[in-house]
Amino acid sequence: GEDVEQSLFLSVREGDSSVINCTYTDSSSTYLYWYKQEPGAGLQLLTYIFSNMDMKQDQRLTVLLNKKDKHLSLRIADTQTGDSAIYFCAEIPLSGNTPLVFGKGTRLSVIA
Amino acid sequence: DTGVSQDPRHKITKRGQNVTFRCDPISEHNRLYWYRQTLGQGPEFLTYFQNEAQLEKSRLLSDRFSAERPKGSFSTLEIQRTEQGDSAMYLCASSFGTSAETQYFGPGTRLLVL
Repeated sequence: GEDVEQSLFLSVREGDSSVINCTYTDSSSTYLYWYKQEPGAGLQLLTYIFSNMDMKQDQRLTVLLNKKDKHLSLRIADTQTGDSAIYFCAEIPLSGNTPLVFGKGTRLSVIA
Repeated sequence: DTGVSQDPRHKITKRGQNVTFRCDPISEHNRLYWYRQTLGQGPEFLTYFQNEAQLEKSRLLSDRFSAERPKGSFSTLEIQRTEQGDSAMYLCASSFGTSAETQYFGPGTRLLVL
């Protein structure tokens, strides 16, 4: 089945690292994505990882993928107040007919 | 700006009225997607097009929902006989390619049905 789970809230202090976690159920997923959504706005693509990779780094963002446990994480280094938003994990499952399956999102609050 | 655009950004309507939303994808993108997002949830897939062909529509929420992309460029999403439960953010995304690819989202149309 298609299901993506995320914790709903995360609070960190400015300058600390944030780690947002996600689990998915479709082991055949080829790509996994992280999107950011600010209040009242659409979704902004942050980064993605192909399923044959374990890690991807892009400036302050590090994505870790554990295919065995179907676990994906997004680490934001030196978190800033502008990083406060909702972060969505999403997968493209090969099974089913849904191009992208999203989690419910993790609301990140950055305390100055 | 060459991103995905949506119009209108906000729509308030009375129950029973019909509404239509427009999406203009990134110009070279051949795939266009519609999603619905309710409060506290992630986007939920509705339908998508490759060029002008609607490849998947079984996820449209009811027969009151329909979408078109007549010339393979912009798309419209229509909701007939709106209900209060249709109140949500309607998001459009586009991508280029025929296999797993990256979708870029528009700002969304927020619908409120009174």
